[in-house]
Amino acid sequence: EVQLVESGGGFVRPGGSLRLSCAGSGFTFSTYNMNWVRQAPGKGLEWISYISYSGSTIYYADSVKGRFTISRDNARNSLYLQMNTLRAEDTAIYSCARADRYNYNNNWYFAFDIWGQGTMVTVSS
Amino acid sequence: DIQLTQSPSFLSASVGDRVTITCRASQGISTYLAWYQQKPGKAPNLLIYAASTLHSGVPSRFSGSGSGTEFTLTISSLQPEDFATYYCQQLNSLFSFGPGTKVDIK
Repeated sequence: EVQLVESGGGFVRPGGSLRLSCAGSGFTFSTYNMNWVRQAPGKGLEWISYISYSGSTIYYADSVKGRFTISRDNARNSLYLQMNTLRAEDTAIYSCARADRYNYNNNWYFAFDIWGQGTMVTVSS
Repeated sequence: DIQLTQSPSFLSASVGDRVTITCRASQGISTYLAWYQQKPGKAPNLLIYAASTLHSGVPSRFSGSGSGTEFTLTISSLQPEDFATYYCQQLNSLFSFGPGTKVDIK
């Protein structure tokens, strides 16, 4: 079964740090680009970071740039998110999502086809 | 940054109804748009990519159309399992999501 499982969430004070992990199974993890997406309680989806299959290309949303670091270990089939200088507005469920690539009309398209269930991060004083 | 808006934000419908959700982009994104369905407490599920291509296993009552800045998701005959929140996502320039449309039971 193709699966993504996140871990590492918890409660942290403002200014603190957490490291999230995402374990992939049932597919060749090293060949897929990966993402982190978060969802604040009762709110919509927010994409926050992307890493290419090799780790050579990384992007961040402005809301986390300079504070969060995405990385991966393909030997361990794992994706990571190091979160520093956390703020109350970072409180959310953090999910990893696989970006698959599809060819349609001779163009390549990405979409997030596999998602984990998420891990909750609460930032509060 | 590319911003997405969705309308309506909320709609109330009955089983069997035809439902249409609109997603508008702040600048042209060709057909680099996907649609997702999310039920409470669950991860999102991919419905459509490339604006109009149905993902594997998605029922044919779902369809998507549009290009450039305006897109639609249509459910031809709403089923009980379709009551959920729907999000569009642009994948032309990084990966932003729309704010979502909640489809509720009338």
